[in-house]
Amino acid sequence: DIQMTQSPSSLSASVGDRVTITCRASQAIRNDLGWYQQKPGKAPKRLIYAASKLQSGVPSRFSGSGSGTEFTLTISSLQPEDFATYYCLQHNGNPYTFGQGTKLEI
Amino acid sequence: QVQLQESGPGLVKPAETLSLTCTVSGDSISPYYWSWIRQPPGKGLEWIGYITYTGTTKYNPSLQSRVTMSVDTSKNQISLWLNSVTAADTAVYYCARTPIVSIVPDPWGQGILVSVSS
Repeated sequence: DIQMTQSPSSLSASVGDRVTITCRASQAIRNDLGWYQQKPGKAPKRLIYAASKLQSGVPSRFSGSGSGTEFTLTISSLQPEDFATYYCLQHNGNPYTFGQGTKLEI
Repeated sequence: QVQLQESGPGLVKPAETLSLTCTVSGDSISPYYWSWIRQPPGKGLEWIGYITYTGTTKYNPSLQSRVTMSVDTSKNQISLWLNSVTAADTAVYYCARTPIVSIVPDPWGQGILVSVSS
């Protein structure tokens, strides 16, 4: 299985901060990666697909980058509604695997 | 706007079969893939597999011996069966539309909690 190591596992930040979350794949996965945001009691919401393509309707303060084994999700200026848990998902190998999540807290 | 709704029993006994249905409204089953993903309470996400609108499946190898998916295009429904369940299968189960090009599932249903207990 391709392991997705996500860091940090938790992060404290303030409104207006710039934050970066990283996912490292145990082997190269091209750009076969997406990012999700999940709020408590809700289903995950897709933010990014193909490593860097912004989902329609998602604010432009979210961006994704990377290829191969290292990927980042950046939020350029945190807003109150961004405090949530974020997951990466690789779909290059079977099984598809998620990172363990990053809880972004105030 | 597409909506997905999971349904099925919220409680299953150990060793029995978990059976869930995902009803899709606002869009057609084709030409998408349809994924199932689960999340144990307080834990991370696990991909179970997907089924294409033609019925081709791709399952997580760790679950392959116990999982079956089907699609009913006439009812706009996708179904999941997981047999020989144990407490480790207790989770919120989500279905999600999976675009053929991007393969990153979206949107997801609201999820259904299935507990395995006697």
